[in-house]
Amino acid sequence: KQEVTQIPAALSVPEGENLVLNCSFTDSAIYNLQWFRQDPGKGLTSLLLIQSSQREQTSGRLNASLDKSSGRSTLYIAASQPGDSATYLCAVRRVTNDMRFGAGTRLTVKP
Amino acid sequence: GAVVSQHPSWVICKSGTSVKIECRSLDFQATTMFWYRQFPKQSLMLMATSNEGSKATYEQGVEKDKFLINHASLTLSTLTVTSAHPEDSSFYICSATQNYGYTFGSGTRLTVV
Repeated sequence: KQEVTQIPAALSVPEGENLVLNCSFTDSAIYNLQWFRQDPGKGLTSLLLIQSSQREQTSGRLNASLDKSSGRSTLYIAASQPGDSATYLCAVRRVTNDMRFGAGTRLTVKP
Repeated sequence: GAVVSQHPSWVICKSGTSVKIECRSLDFQATTMFWYRQFPKQSLMLMATSNEGSKATYEQGVEKDKFLINHASLTLSTLTVTSAHPEDSSFYICSATQNYGYTFGSGTRLTVV
């Protein structure tokens, strides 16, 4: 059974800080891992997708890494801004084709 | 990019009635769609996997007779919550696969009163 854990559950930082969100998963048999952003009461916005054969992906101020063998991924956000405040979800796509989500990290960036 | 349209975005219904939620892939064909449920401050939990032209596969603990899923075409899947109860109040969200990634609908907030 695939379990996805995200640490920390909540994070509050001042504007401008660099920060790291962590995701771990128990079953390394995955196709890919995806990071999403969810604003309150809204759907999901895909941020980065890392294939199982890849080590990292970058988009703007975001960088995500994947270590499949150890079951870990990190999302690095550089120079955080108040607009980055949201819940960040990590999800792994299993070989059965469905996705399993972590509980998310609720990020608040204070101006 | 891939777009998945989901509606209604919110609905309020009386206890005992049924509610249908639609999920459409607008610019691609989705042989597989997924339905998730999210309770407040919790993560998304997979309810069922919907394959075009066949019966949906439900996760353990999800009542298939209560949550009816129909995937009649490659671009449309529907979730019907039958005989809704207040405990069914939740955020329901669908997703569809394209290539390697998943595209999610904007979700439906269901409130049963």
